[in-house]
Amino acid sequence: GQSLEQPSEVTAVEGAIVQINCTYQTSGFYGLSWYQQHDGGAPTFLSYNALDGLEETGRFSSFLSRSDSYGYLLLQELQMKDSASYFCAVRDTANQAGTALIFGKGTTLSVSS
Amino acid sequence: DGGITQSPKYLFRKEGQNVTLSCEQNLNHDAMYWYRQDPGQGLRLIYYSQIVNDFQKGDIAEGYSVSREKKESFPLTVTSAQKNPTAFYLCASSMRTSGRERTGELFFGEGSRLTVL
Repeated sequence: GQSLEQPSEVTAVEGAIVQINCTYQTSGFYGLSWYQQHDGGAPTFLSYNALDGLEETGRFSSFLSRSDSYGYLLLQELQMKDSASYFCAVRDTANQAGTALIFGKGTTLSVSS
Repeated sequence: DGGITQSPKYLFRKEGQNVTLSCEQNLNHDAMYWYRQDPGQGLRLIYYSQIVNDFQKGDIAEGYSVSREKKESFPLTVTSAQKNPTAFYLCASSMRTSGRERTGELFFGEGSRLTVL
């Protein structure tokens, strides 16, 4: 089966940089995704890494190391609106033709002024 | 605008009753999913469907049922057999892909919050 581990909580101040780590265990691997969810809202897609390296999208970057089964989400120039839960996710490999994602338990980021 | 619509947003149910949560999408996506979210538990997969008239169980399918009679619709029934149904239910959709194509993006609805009284 698949499993993902990420810290439960992270705190930071406005303007800072924070890194949210994710380690995963899968029988097969098709990429690591990141989602953001504000309290009570719908998760929204942030990034997807299928290959090793860093992908940058504005203030957010995501990194993947397939050999280490590890990735991270890097948030720069933190703003109050970045306070949310962040989830890493991998594709369910139990069904080779499926596209269902398996999610980690989420990291709650609290940004203070 | 294209998107996913879940209804109702809030639902209260008495023990022993079945309830059905609606999920409709107009994104022309082939694949649809149901997830359950409890505090501190992340999102757990209940059922998913890749094409019409076909669906697969996820990790926590017991006590739930689904149907996929139309591409646009994927309703979830929470049956009386589900022992702890109070939760936030999220429906999502995506393009159907296979192999190593980009499969990381799901589009989520705003969720349905079910409370059992």
